[in-house]
Amino acid sequence: DAGVIQSPRHEVTEMGQEVTLRCKPISGHDYLFWYRQTMMRGLELLIYFNNNVPIDDSGMPEDRFSAKMPNASFSTLKIQPSEPRDSAVYFCASSPRVSEAFFGQGTRLTVV
Amino acid sequence: KQEVTQIPAALSVPEGENLVLNCSFTDSAIYNLQWFRQDPGKGLTSLLLIQSSQREQTSGRLNASLDKSSGRSTLYIAASQPGDSATYLCAVPYYGNNRLAFGKGNQVVVIP
Repeated sequence: DAGVIQSPRHEVTEMGQEVTLRCKPISGHDYLFWYRQTMMRGLELLIYFNNNVPIDDSGMPEDRFSAKMPNASFSTLKIQPSEPRDSAVYFCASSPRVSEAFFGQGTRLTVV
Repeated sequence: KQEVTQIPAALSVPEGENLVLNCSFTDSAIYNLQWFRQDPGKGLTSLLLIQSSQREQTSGRLNASLDKSSGRSTLYIAASQPGDSATYLCAVPYYGNNRLAFGKGNQVVVIP
């Protein structure tokens, strides 16, 4: 398996634009997680899915953030409208068990 | 809420020295503990996972110990090499083992 695949690797966008981050989890993993990493706050869990169903979205910072998992092999994290303070590295991770995580390479988002 | 602390935040050692990285967590009722490695601009790679019933786990030059009662784990890297330069993060489950809480990491530089 190629591991967790995220796209794009880098995204630069202007404030107010919509941003969509994509993730393909490892086949057979029932859990999918979206994390955000910044220097100040470290790694923060935004939302996680079990069998394509969102289980806990309490980490989503605002209504501008939304995540979907239409099927077992694809998930998106959308920010609309984006703001400069959303600049961070966003990681997707998947796992066969909720207490583990296999990470993708991340998407570095810069909002100017 | 589970809080994870890693000390020191950063350290530099000469090549060949042994590395000792510390992780402490506030809620000792954990299912397991995981150590990750993160290279600059990359995702997290799992190094070792210790189950709550284990005292330690070894992989090559890496050895991780776990003391649940005191809420501590230590990662030892023997005979450090420049290729060991990276940030090391520990993570433990919380909220009934449904989520992973991460420390902010130990940033390691091994000087040739």
